[in-house]
Amino acid sequence: SQQGEEDPQALSIQEGENATMNCSYKTSINNLQWYRQNSGRGLVHLILIRSNEREKHSGRLRVTLDTSKKSSSLLITASRAADTASYFCATDLTDSWGKLQFGAGTQVVVTP
Amino acid sequence: GAVVSQHPSWVICKSGTSVKIECRSLDFQATTMFWYRQFPKQSLMLMATSNEGSKATYEQGVEKDKFLINHASLTLSTLTVTSAHPEDSSFYICSAINNEQYFGPGTRLTVT
Repeated sequence: SQQGEEDPQALSIQEGENATMNCSYKTSINNLQWYRQNSGRGLVHLILIRSNEREKHSGRLRVTLDTSKKSSSLLITASRAADTASYFCATDLTDSWGKLQFGAGTQVVVTP
Repeated sequence: GAVVSQHPSWVICKSGTSVKIECRSLDFQATTMFWYRQFPKQSLMLMATSNEGSKATYEQGVEKDKFLINHASLTLSTLTVTSAHPEDSSFYICSAINNEQYFGPGTRLTVT
């Protein structure tokens, strides 16, 4: 079964706006990762946050992790049309090294 | 970063035939690779863990006799979908770990 649930399922915004999506999971994790997938393509790794970290930044991306609530958020600031994609969170569970459990994904559409 | 390739990128086959998909780590050795499946508009689901020199371990609900995995070398894992049926049509993605997890570009399988 999938570990993570994501919301919203879909998000439509205009260029320049921020996009926020959330991910919740159920069991203990080593780390949580966010990936982007353009339609019909492979995954692009965006950012990894470890279980002992609370916030991480990479360019226009900001990820938070709240292990007490078993949730994470991904913020994309100043979005661009090229950010249009599906975004997935994936958790690396403490008892299954390397095996990733993916969330359902958030489909983001950024209109010019 | 490390590169993982898959071949073919897409394949169409007739129902009842078998299809082999290759996953290669191009610039590193991987004793462990993972195979995921993604149905249209859904998330990735882990199918199995491919272990070099030993048997693959399959996730619950994945038929090991239908999805044959062979990890014959430190840079190559193959997934063979035997007696393929239309319901096996999916996007198959492999990954390998080199400090962090790298995903292949995926193979789209269509069974007619």
